[in-house]
Amino acid sequence: EMKLADSGGGLVQPGGSLRLSCAASGFIFSDSAMNWVRQTPEKGLEWVSTISDNGHSSYYADSVKGRFTVSRDNSKNTLFLQMDSLRAEDTALYYCAKDYEDLGYFDLWGRGILVTVSS
Amino acid sequence: EIVLTQSPATLSLSPGDRATLSCRASQSVRGYLAWYQQKPGQAPRLLLYDSSDRAPGVPARFSGSGSETDFTLTISSLEADDSAVYFCQQRSDWPPYTFGGGTKVEI
Repeated sequence: EMKLADSGGGLVQPGGSLRLSCAASGFIFSDSAMNWVRQTPEKGLEWVSTISDNGHSSYYADSVKGRFTVSRDNSKNTLFLQMDSLRAEDTALYYCAKDYEDLGYFDLWGRGILVTVSS
Repeated sequence: EIVLTQSPATLSLSPGDRATLSCRASQSVRGYLAWYQQKPGQAPRLLLYDSSDRAPGVPARFSGSGSETDFTLTISSLEADDSAVYFCQQRSDWPPYTFGGGTKVEI
């Protein structure tokens, strides 16, 4: 069974940092681009970042560029999102999501990690 | 950035009814549009991609159509389990990928 198990969220003060992890199983992780998508009641679903299957290319939403860094460890089937200089508007439920057939759609999602940025 | 506008915001129907959901793009996305279903407390689930192709395991009662800027998700005969929020997403012009605001289907 294909699965993504995400972890690492929590409460952090503005300006702080968090690192999210997403452990993959049940598929060939190194064959798939991977993504982070976040969701809030106010803004809905927002794409955050994509990393290529080999990790050599990464892309970011303008709202997080320069503050967030996506990476992956294909030897450990794990995806990461390093979030620095966090702001209140980064408060959201963060999902890791697998790219479907390299088409730019998301066919497997984690359960979601709550990140709260507040003093 | 391509903006996706979904309508209606809420659709209240009965079991067996046909549901028609709309997604309109601010500029052409060719046929590169997907639909997702999200139930409370769950992650989104991919239903359709490239406008009309069903993802593996998706029942045939879900179908999609459209191109360029106007797209439709049709659920041919609603079941109670179809109560959810449905989102569209484009991958034509990225980054960024963008999502619509969602349509809530109540049965």
